[in-house]
Formats: sequence, structure tokens, C-alpha cells
Amino acid sequence: KQEVTQIPAALSVPEGENLVLNCSFTDSAIYNLQWFRQDPGKGLTSLLLIQSSQREQTSGRLNASLDKSSGRSTLYIAASQPGDSATYLCAVYSGNTPLVFGKGTRLSVIA
Amino acid sequence: EPEVTQTPSHQVTQMGQEVILRCVPISNHLYFYWYRQILGQKVEFLVSFYNNEISEKSEIFDDQFSVERPDGSNFTLKIRSTKLEDSAMYFCATKQQGPGNTIYFGEGSWLTVV
Repeated sequence: KQEVTQIPAALSVPEGENLVLNCSFTDSAIYNLQWFRQDPGKGLTSLLLIQSSQREQTSGRLNASLDKSSGRSTLYIAASQPGDSATYLCAVYSGNTPLVFGKGTRLSVIA
Repeated sequence: EPEVTQTPSHQVTQMGQEVILRCVPISNHLYFYWYRQILGQKVEFLVSFYNNEISEKSEIFDDQFSVERPDGSNFTLKIRSTKLEDSAMYFCATKQQGPGNTIYFGEGSWLTVV
């Protein structure tokens, strides 16, 4: 059974810092991995999707990497801003198996 | 950007009552999902729906729950005889055909059972 773990559970950084969020999964037989952002009481906004054949994806200040064989992904946020404060969720998709989510990393960027 | 639309955004219901949560998927998406998130916990899969039938369901999705697409557009989740532990945010999600496509989530319906 696929398990997804995210470390750290919470992170507080000063504005402008670069930061890395970590995600690990137990079963490497995945089709893709998706990073989401969730604001308090809100829905899930898809940030990046990495296919199993890809190593990384970039969107603006966000860069996600995937090492499928070791079951790891990282989300790199450059030059963090207070507006980046949210919970970041990692989820893996294994074809017929639905998305399996981690518990998320709660990020606070302090101005 | 196309959106998944969910209604209601928030519903309070008495224990034992039935609730229906509604979702308007992104047009041309063929796969539909319901997930839920109990406060402070992980997002959990409930059910997936494709070609007008359930393709997969979790242990959570027991006889208390049902889904349908009554008019070919809306996708609904019905919860019969609600319990206190059904209180959660319920998310609808949709996807185009093919395993490599992004799954898009709605804003969620917050259900409070009292």
C-alpha cells in the first residue's frame, strides 16, 4: 500500500529565503507526482505535475524534482514571499490507484 | 483556467439527515473523484467514477455513500444518515483521459454534522 510522507510538517522562514520541501513515497511504481497548494479552508490548487519519466518541472519560482527509484521528490521555492504561506501537499498517482496524499508541509513566510 | 465547481460551499446538517454535495466537472474531463479531508488530517480518497459507473472505491465509501451523474453534467455525492464523524471537507476532482494528466480539484464543500 502506497504511503506518502512529507517533511517537515511545518516550516517558518523569513521573506526572501529559498526553501525545500520534501516528499517521500514507499512504492516507486508511479505514473506521476503532483504538488498542490492549500490555503486554510480552501481547495487544492495544482502547482506542478511531474511524470515518472521526468526529473524535474519548473513553474516560475517553483521547481519540483523527482527521483522515482529512491521514492523522493522535492519542491524548491525560490525567493519566498509572504503570499507563499500555505500548506503544500504532495500526491502520487499509480494508474488505477487514486491519488495518495501526504499530510502536507505548513509553510509560513514572515515579512 | 477551467474550474471544478462545487456546491454548497458549507452545509450544516443534523445527525441522521441526508446530504447531497454537487460538483460541476471541467468539460471534456471523463474521470471524476470524491475525496475528503477531516480537519487536520490527510486528504483521503473516497471514490472514482468513469463511464457512468464507479471504477474504484475506498473502505470509507460504504453503503452510506453513493454517487451519480444524473444529468450528464453534475456529479453528486450523497451521504445518507449522516454521522458526526462525517464532518469534513469534501473535494470533487476531475481529470482528462490518460494517466499523465493533471487532476483538478474544486474548492470543496465543508460539511458539519451536529
